[in-house]
Amino acid sequence: GAGVSQSPSNKVTEKGKDVELRCDPISGHTALYWYRQSLGQGLEFLIYFQGNSAPDKSGLPSDRFSAERTGGSVSTLTIQRTQQEDSAVYLCASSLVGGQVINEQYFGPGTRLTVT
Amino acid sequence: AQKITQTQPGMFVQEKEAVTLDCTYDTSDPSYGLFWYKQPSSGEMIFLIYQGSYDQQNATEGRYSLNFQKARKSANLVISASQLGDSAMYFCAMREGNSGYSTLTFGKGTMLLVSP
Repeated sequence: GAGVSQSPSNKVTEKGKDVELRCDPISGHTALYWYRQSLGQGLEFLIYFQGNSAPDKSGLPSDRFSAERTGGSVSTLTIQRTQQEDSAVYLCASSLVGGQVINEQYFGPGTRLTVT
Repeated sequence: AQKITQTQPGMFVQEKEAVTLDCTYDTSDPSYGLFWYKQPSSGEMIFLIYQGSYDQQNATEGRYSLNFQKARKSANLVISASQLGDSAMYFCAMREGNSGYSTLTFGKGTMLLVSP
């Protein structure tokens, strides 16, 4: 079956521009997560969705970052007025919840964002 | 304090040998889960193995096993009979609580290089 997909795979933008990153989770997965991975670092949690609501936005680094999820499926992460420190790989993951012991997260291939 | 600590930035192993990747964790929650993910150079995160805090036995998945020492709060990954394709970054991660929605906290990773 289809895994988690993300688009675009690469994005180069100028400082100050807005960008939108898209995540299409595995069908039927109710939980969706966004992480950020800077060069040579581990993954940093940004936000997660339970259906269409986001109970935990604690990881968003600033109010320039926002995310939404519609129809319990596709999610968009928006970064406004991008800064060079926003350059990273943005990873999306999804998981089943409820009745499953492990609920492992399945990751997409990521979007590599470069802010020039 | 870091919740997940991986003290080995890099490890080298010869093909067909076993290797242990270290992971220690810190939590006061009695219910938690520990995960190992593999990230090849292509960038995707691949789930390898899971250990629940109440599991009595160490988890095993093929050539992967988890050496879970609860009192020491360690969850080391053991890869037996290393293969060239095992060369990748390996991340240890923890989920606290048992709701299934909890996010993962990742360590900084260990780069494993397998030589012929």
